[in-house]
Amino acid sequence: DIQMTQSPSSLSASIGDRVTITCRASQSISSSLNWYQHRPGKAPKLLIYTASTLQSGVPSRFSGSGSGTDFTLTISSLQPEDVATYYCQQSYSAPWTFGQGTKVEV
Amino acid sequence: EVQLLESGGGLVQPGGSLRLSCAASGFIFTNCAMTWVRQAPGKGLEWVSGITASATITYYSDSVKGRFTISRDNSKNTLYLQMNSLRDEDTAVYYCAKGRTWEPRDFHYWGQGTLVTVSS
Repeated sequence: DIQMTQSPSSLSASIGDRVTITCRASQSISSSLNWYQHRPGKAPKLLIYTASTLQSGVPSRFSGSGSGTDFTLTISSLQPEDVATYYCQQSYSAPWTFGQGTKVEV
Repeated sequence: EVQLLESGGGLVQPGGSLRLSCAASGFIFTNCAMTWVRQAPGKGLEWVSGITASATITYYSDSVKGRFTISRDNSKNTLYLQMNSLRDEDTAVYYCAKGRTWEPRDFHYWGQGTLVTVSS
């Protein structure tokens, strides 16, 4: 199974800050990497798929990059509504595993 | 508008069974893979099971293989998860999610979840 490791596990930032979350796969997964946002009490939401494609309706302050084993999710200017836990997920091979999550606080 | 509505959760004793349902609307159900993902209390998201659009291929995590069965009724736009031999560690909110394509590799839209509690 492919293991996904995110860092950091949590972070605290100020409104307007640039925030970066990294995700590392235990083997190469090409660009088969997705990012999700999970706000407390809400359904998880797909933000980015295939490493860098922004899902329709997602604000442009979110971006993704990377390929192979190392990936990054960036929030260019943190907003109050971005308080959430963010997960990466590999879609390269079953079982389609998630990272452990990164909790973003303001 | 895509809508996914899970139901069937509740309290069950260890060793018991439960069947979850997910009613889908707002998209062409027969074109999309479907998946179950769970979140145990205080834990992260865990992929549980997926099924292709035509129901020809199913996938299971090692933690539920042999105990859970995923299925779908394309005539009713409904996804199911039959859960048998339930354990304490199966306690979680269970989410259904639709895929972007026929393969259950990603999770495009999610329901609000249904809580399953396994306890004596």
